[in-house]
Amino acid sequence: EEQVVESGGGLVQPGGSLRLSCAASGFTFSSYIMNWVRQAPGKGLEWVSAISGSAKSTYYADSVKGRFTISRDNSKTTVSLQMNNLRAEDTAIYYCAKDRAVTRSPFDIWGQGTLVTVSS
Amino acid sequence: DIQMTQSPSSLSASVGDRVTITCRASQGISNYLAWYQQKPGKVPKLLIYAASTLQSGVPSRFSGSGSGTDFTLTISSLQPEDVATYYCQKYDSAPRTFGQGTKVEIK
Repeated sequence: EEQVVESGGGLVQPGGSLRLSCAASGFTFSSYIMNWVRQAPGKGLEWVSAISGSAKSTYYADSVKGRFTISRDNSKTTVSLQMNNLRAEDTAIYYCAKDRAVTRSPFDIWGQGTLVTVSS
Repeated sequence: DIQMTQSPSSLSASVGDRVTITCRASQGISNYLAWYQQKPGKVPKLLIYAASTLQSGVPSRFSGSGSGTDFTLTISSLQPEDVATYYCQKYDSAPRTFGQGTKVEIK
């Protein structure tokens, strides 16, 4: 069964840092683009970042560019999101999501999410 | 960046009604358009990709159409279990932007 499981969320002060992790299983991890999507409380979905299967290409939403860094370890089938200089508006549930296919595709597998709260 | 605009933001319909949600891209995206369903308190679920292809396991009352800039999600006969928020998403290139969502309720 294909699945992804996020971890690493928590409460952090404004300006602080947090590292989220996503452990994948049940599929050929290195073949797929992996993504982070967030959802602020009571709000819609916001795509945050993506990383190619080889890790050679990374992509970011303008709202996090320069503050967040996505990475992956294909030997451990994990993808991470390093979040620095956090702001109150970064408070959200962060979902890890797998591309449906090895070419351009939407997200077919989502984790349960991990909550990040940025507050003093 | 390409913006995705959904309408309406919310709707209320009766069980058995035909429901239509539209999504408009600010520039052409060919058919690189997906629809997701998110039930209250749950994780988003992929319903349709390539504008009109039903994801495995999704009931046939859901359908999608469109290409270029204008897309539609249709529920042919609304069921109580369809109460959810529906999102469109472009995935032709980054940023893989979502629409703002359409909340569907039962009247």
